[in-house]
Amino acid sequence: GQQLNQSPQSMFIQEGEDVSMNCTSSSIFNTWLWYKQEPGEGPVLLIALYKAGELTSNGRLTAQFGITRKDSFLNISASIPSDVGIYFCAGQFMSGNTPLVFGKGTRLSVIA
Amino acid sequence: NAGVTQTPKFRILKIGQSMTLQCTQDMNHNYMYWYRQDPGMGLKLIYYSVGAGITDKGEVPNGYNVSRSTTEDFPLRLELAAPSQTSVYFCASSYTAFGEQFFGPGTRLTVL
Repeated sequence: GQQLNQSPQSMFIQEGEDVSMNCTSSSIFNTWLWYKQEPGEGPVLLIALYKAGELTSNGRLTAQFGITRKDSFLNISASIPSDVGIYFCAGQFMSGNTPLVFGKGTRLSVIA
Repeated sequence: NAGVTQTPKFRILKIGQSMTLQCTQDMNHNYMYWYRQDPGMGLKLIYYSVGAGITDKGEVPNGYNVSRSTTEDFPLRLELAAPSQTSVYFCASSYTAFGEQFFGPGTRLTVL
């Protein structure tokens, strides 16, 4: 099936640093979603994007829907220890009511 | 408002055994989904339902069955457990088709 390319796979950063991760696809999407998963829990929605070029913030998190509709990025500013977890992107194809496709995730570790 | 609840949280099965993973949501969402998450991988869709009485296959349906007799409940059935079904299973629901999905806490299943 269709895959999203999510990078990087993992990141080790110092507390206070900014973080950037992205997802790319060979297909056009009409929706991009970013989720965070903490150990032993289900993914929790962070940001939803519905328009090409859309830039949306949620606290220290900012995500953008790429103009080509084939990519999205998520930035975290001034990271803190509780940002630790796995971040997943998910996208829905332009063709309509099709299932979400998930990236493999970016595992974020924050060193205090 | 409990959101999406899943039981059990953990289960160990022997090869060939059967079991049902339970999922309930109290948000009156029409759309419900079952995913599996293997280590280091993203989420793969097993089955989904667009409303009571309607179900459809996702990317990896083999070895599983579902039913949707009520809006609230969407159980996942494993008939003949195999080691390849060792995974973490997540149930999710959404208000719109494949839109912003709310996930349960997951069921960690091991088949030995």
